[in-house]
Amino acid sequence: GEDVEQSLFLSVREGDSSVINCTYTDSSSTYLYWYKQEPGAGLQLLTYIFSNMDMKQDQRLTVLLNKKDKHLSLRIADTQTGDSAIYFCAESGGNNRLAFGKGNQVVVIP
Amino acid sequence: KAGVTQTPRYLIKTRGQQVTLSCSPISGHRSVSWYQQTPGQGLQFLFEYFSETQRNKGNFPGRFSGRQFSNSRSEMNVSTLELGDSALYLCASSLSGEGYGYTFGSGTRLTVV
Repeated sequence: GEDVEQSLFLSVREGDSSVINCTYTDSSSTYLYWYKQEPGAGLQLLTYIFSNMDMKQDQRLTVLLNKKDKHLSLRIADTQTGDSAIYFCAESGGNNRLAFGKGNQVVVIP
Repeated sequence: KAGVTQTPRYLIKTRGQQVTLSCSPISGHRSVSWYQQTPGQGLQFLFEYFSETQRNKGNFPGRFSGRQFSNSRSEMNVSTLELGDSALYLCASSLSGEGYGYTFGSGTRLTVV
């Protein structure tokens, strides 16, 4: 079955890089995602990576996928106070449902 | 274009009551999925509808049900509410169910007292 693990909390200074990690169990996952949730808001899709890719870069965001170890990471360069949020990784296979991790709260210190 | 609209935003109900939540997807999106978010269990998949048919269902009791109308709007219903049903209920729409195309609404915060 699907099971996604994330660490819970990260604090980072403004301007530094943040790295959030995630492990998943479903090797048949087709896509892996990173979502952001700000207080009182829904989920915002930040980026996603197809399972046959190793890396994807999108402006300040870099996603690394190690399929052998089932490990996904999100690096945020030049972290800003607006990046303070909870970040969820998620996976999906062919069944049109997302399995989410528990989330990682990122606090950016000015 | 308008995003995914969920109504109401907040709801307080008493144990034993039933509740109906509504989700209007982005125009042209035919797939609507529902998720429950709680501090303890995190985000859990409830069900997905596509063209008025339930395509997928998560591991929730039969008290949780849903439907989709011909205009793709969806409702979910929870009967005989329990305290543990207190949660943020999120819906997401996409063209045909592909995860990378999901857009989430802001959610309905349900509190059961």
